Amino acid sequence: DAGVIQSPRHEVTEMGQEVTLRCKPISGHNSLFWYRQTMMRGLELLIYFNNNVPIDDSGMPEDRFSAKMPNASFSTLKIQPSEPRDSAVYFCASRGTSGGDNEQFFGPGTRLTVL
Amino acid sequence: SQQGEEDPQALSIQEGENATMNCSYKTSINNLQWYRQNSGRGLVHLILIRSNEREKHSGRLRVTLDTSKKSSSLLITASRAADTASYFCASDSGSARQLTFGSGTQLTVLP
Repeated sequence: DAGVIQSPRHEVTEMGQEVTLRCKPISGHNSLFWYRQTMMRGLELLIYFNNNVPIDDSGMPEDRFSAKMPNASFSTLKIQPSEPRDSAVYFCASRGTSGGDNEQFFGPGTRLTVL
Repeated sequence: SQQGEEDPQALSIQEGENATMNCSYKTSINNLQWYRQNSGRGLVHLILIRSNEREKHSGRLRVTLDTSKKSSSLLITASRAADTASYFCASDSGSARQLTFGSGTQLTVLP
């Protein structure tokens, strides 16, 4: 199993540009999470999907952020327009349904720099 | 905002020593998990302890849970330089089964 795959690994863009981050969860997992990690705020949950349906997007900071999960094997997180304060590492994680435990599997992250 | 708080924020020890990290959380939990993050990498799940368990072992890892104090500790015995990383606790609470991560402890093991 390749694990959770994220692309790109690094993104540098200018303020005002649109940014799209991509995630492929582990095959068979039915929950997907987008997190943002910064030195100041630590690891924050942005949005969470279950069976491709957004369950909780209360962590999405502003309307500039949007996320979709068109099918069980793909999700995107879009920022438009991007701002320098969006600079962070964005992680995608997926979770299966086995038993009652709740282990999440993280991707390698996308390091976003907005100039 | 982060529910969990961890201490210490940073810990530096010599190879072979034991490392203890603590975590506190605020609401009742289904389970509590510990994750490790190497610099520039994603988080990796280490161990999970359920709310009805008090202690759990996995290799050189020992986790304790005190639900009355809403706290947990992670002990790494006989530490190695390769254990250098950030360690995060994550509480699983509520019906939504989301995880709330702590602020993390940066562990440095000196060779």
